[in-house]
Amino acid sequence: GEDVEQSLFLSVREGDSSVINCTYTDSSSTYLYWYKQEPGAGLQLLTYIFSNMDMKQDQRLTVLLNKKDKHLSLRIADTQTGDSAIYFCAESMGDDKIIFGKGTRLHILP
Amino acid sequence: NAGVMQNPRHLVRRRGQEARLRCSPMKGHSHVYWYRQLPEEGLKFMVYLQKENIIDESGMPKERFSAEFPKEGPSILRIQQVVRGDSAAYFCASSPSETGGYEQYFGPGTRLTVT
Repeated sequence: GEDVEQSLFLSVREGDSSVINCTYTDSSSTYLYWYKQEPGAGLQLLTYIFSNMDMKQDQRLTVLLNKKDKHLSLRIADTQTGDSAIYFCAESMGDDKIIFGKGTRLHILP
Repeated sequence: NAGVMQNPRHLVRRRGQEARLRCSPMKGHSHVYWYRQLPEEGLKFMVYLQKENIIDESGMPKERFSAEFPKEGPSILRIQQVVRGDSAAYFCASSPSETGGYEQYFGPGTRLTVT
């Protein structure tokens, strides 16, 4: 079956690193994504990783994939107030539909 | 290069009325996807269309919902005889034909409220 699980809330102090975790069930998933949604806005594609990769880094963002455990994480270094948003983990086999988790609300503490 | 455009951004309908949601894909994109986001939930796939063709509608409710992507003009998601449970944010995404469906770019969404 298709299912993506992630914790609903995360609070982090400004300047610290944020780590958002996700697990998925479909071992045939080819692409794994992180999307960001700010209040009242659409989804912004932050990054994606192919299932044959272990890690992808893009500026402050680091994605780690443990395919054996079906675990995906997003690390945001030096978290800023502008990072406050909902972060969605998602998976796809690359055909049409993307399967989304319920989202993790990242709250930045001053 | 404009992104995916959706209109209206907010739509209020009374129970029993029809809702029409429009989506213009990014320039050069020929694949369109519709998703629904219920309050406090993630997005759920509804339908995937290419020009004049419905490719996958496995996520569409069987009744009252329809979608089209004509040769000219935007893609339309149509909800007939709306009910309170249809209140949600409806997002459209598009992708270029050469990458298939894995690289989807989302519009800002239409927030439908049924009163």
